[in-house]
Amino acid sequence: EDQVTQSPEALRLQEGESSSLNCSYTVSGLRGLFWYRQDPGKGPEFLFTLYSAGEEKEKERLKATLTKKESFLHITAPKPEDSATYLCAVQNFLNSGGSNYKLTFGKGTLLTVNP
Amino acid sequence: GAGVSQSPRYKVAKRGQDVALRCDPISGHVSLFWYQQALGQGPEFLTYFQNEAQLDKSGLPSDRFFAERPEGSVSTLKIQRTQQEDSAVYLCVSSTLFGYEQFFGPGTRLTVL
Repeated sequence: EDQVTQSPEALRLQEGESSSLNCSYTVSGLRGLFWYRQDPGKGPEFLFTLYSAGEEKEKERLKATLTKKESFLHITAPKPEDSATYLCAVQNFLNSGGSNYKLTFGKGTLLTVNP
Repeated sequence: GAGVSQSPRYKVAKRGQDVALRCDPISGHVSLFWYQQALGQGPEFLTYFQNEAQLDKSGLPSDRFFAERPEGSVSTLKIQRTQQEDSAVYLCVSSTLFGYEQFFGPGTRLTVL
């Protein structure tokens, strides 16, 4: 069974204080690892998909990296508007019935950036 | 804005009532998923459609849950005889066939009293 564990559960940062969020995963056939941002009362917003170990992707102050067992979301010089819950999810290409496209999510990391 | 839309955004039901939640996916997207998100948790997979075919319903928690997508576009998630444990946000997701980018709707928050 695919498993995704995110840490820490909650993180408080001062504006400008860089840090990283962790996503550890266990999946028999990784098709892709996804990062989403979710604001209160809204659906998750797509950030990145990573497909193979060593891959990195960047978007503004965010950078996602992938190893064979975990992914990191690095936040450089965060601003208060980066406050949100960050969700990590995996796809398993060994799932059958077309549902190798479904996502298995972690519980998320609640990030608060104070001004 | 051609995003995923869901209606209603909020639904309050008395225990035992039937509810129907609607999803309008992005035009042309072949794949459609439903997820359930409990408070403080990540979304959990319920069911998957490819066009009008329901290829995976392994995540539906009981036979009270039923989903359809008769014309391969709009989808409806129906919950019969709602229970308090059904209270959650129900999220619809649409994507192209291979699901490399999956676009979430805003969700329907269901509260069962």
